Amino acid sequence: GQNIDQPTEMTATEGAIVQINCTYQTSGFNGLFWYQQHAGEAPTFLSYNVLDGLEEKGRFSSFLSRSKGYSYLLLKELQMKDSASYLCAATNAGKSTFGDGTTLTVKP
Amino acid sequence: DTGVSQNPRHKITKRGQNVTFRCDPISEHNRLYWYRQTLGQGPEFLTYFQNEAQLEKSRLLSDRFSAERPKGSFSTLEIQRTEQGDSAMYLCASSFSPSGDEQFFGPGTRLTVL
Repeated sequence: GQNIDQPTEMTATEGAIVQINCTYQTSGFNGLFWYQQHAGEAPTFLSYNVLDGLEEKGRFSSFLSRSKGYSYLLLKELQMKDSASYLCAATNAGKSTFGDGTTLTVKP
Repeated sequence: DTGVSQNPRHKITKRGQNVTFRCDPISEHNRLYWYRQTLGQGPEFLTYFQNEAQLEKSRLLSDRFSAERPKGSFSTLEIQRTEQGDSAMYLCASSFSPSGDEQFFGPGTRLTVL
């Protein structure tokens, strides 16, 4: 089976850095996705990690450790528009299992 | 617009009625996925297709749910004899295999069963 855990809520200040963690336990694993979802909208792709290590993409970076079943999403220079839910998803043979999302609130 | 589209965007129905939703994926994508999402939870996998073949269906789904992708392009999801517990956002996503599993989501169909 698949089990994905991430914190329910986080709060951070505009301009700061925040790290959202995700742990997974899966029966098969190809890679790990991070998606951003604003209220009432569909998820949008942020990153996909297959190999161990850190991948940086602008203000967003994502890290994966396959041996530890662990990933994190790092958001730098936070902006108010970054307030959203952040979903991690473990994928295996095309099928993705999502966590319940971390609701990030960015305060001025 | 070349993204994933879904119709209708909203559907209100009475318990016991049948409903059908449509998804048009990005044209060159051969994989199509259906998810269900309720408030405060992540998308829950329902089923997925590669071209016209339905490769996997969640064991969580009852026999009231059926999906088709007859020509390997658009897909339909039908729910028969709807129940109040079926109220949710139904999301469709598509991807191009084998270039990666990145899925592009449509805007969703919000179903309300009264």
